[in-house]
Amino acid sequence: EPEVTQTPSHQVTQMGQEVILRCVPISNHLYFYWYRQILGQKVEFLVSFYNNEISEKSEIFDDQFSVERPDGSNFTLKIRSTKLEDSAMYFCASSGDRAGQPQHFGDGTRLSIL
Amino acid sequence: DAKTTQPNSMESNEEEPVHLPCNHSTISGTDYIHWYRQLPSQGPEYVIHGLTSNVNNRMASLAIAEDRKSSTLILHRATLRDAAVYYCMNYGGATNKLIFGTGTLLAVQP
Repeated sequence: EPEVTQTPSHQVTQMGQEVILRCVPISNHLYFYWYRQILGQKVEFLVSFYNNEISEKSEIFDDQFSVERPDGSNFTLKIRSTKLEDSAMYFCASSGDRAGQPQHFGDGTRLSIL
Repeated sequence: DAKTTQPNSMESNEEEPVHLPCNHSTISGTDYIHWYRQLPSQGPEYVIHGLTSNVNNRMASLAIAEDRKSSTLILHRATLRDAAVYYCMNYGGATNKLIFGTGTLLAVQP
């Protein structure tokens, strides 16, 4: 069964540095998402992406964050000037060719900011 | 944002059926009812979804009330591997994002 893959599984970064989290969505999916989960808290929506542009974003997704689909297979989340509170699990998800179809999640990247 | 209400936790014995309830009284007419689960140290996993009719797949069954204000996820024979947090969400109408609540923590006893 096709799956969403995320790299790296664990990223450790110094505060203030930039990080790029990478995702390879399921190949025929057209909708892409990023979520995050701070340790012990709920999964939170960050952003959705369709047709090469952001379709929806949360209040968390401010100017510090950006997303890109640089080629036909990768979907990336860039976090600039990382802060301690950015430490979390970041999950990528993708869904099919119509809004409302099930989202399929990767296993996440654990981001630790020191 | 559409809100759902679930019990914080439930317990089941292995190989017995489990009925996980969810209330979604403010669901819009175009929203689907989606269920996901999150096993420890893993990403959320899609379980099942439906609009009005009851649904079955290899993982579970979904029973939807006639007024669509509540639904029940049915695991027919719980296994230890089904121990997870189960999330019920309304999705697909006005918004294309999943709004996770605190879900139901299901414990399965051997």
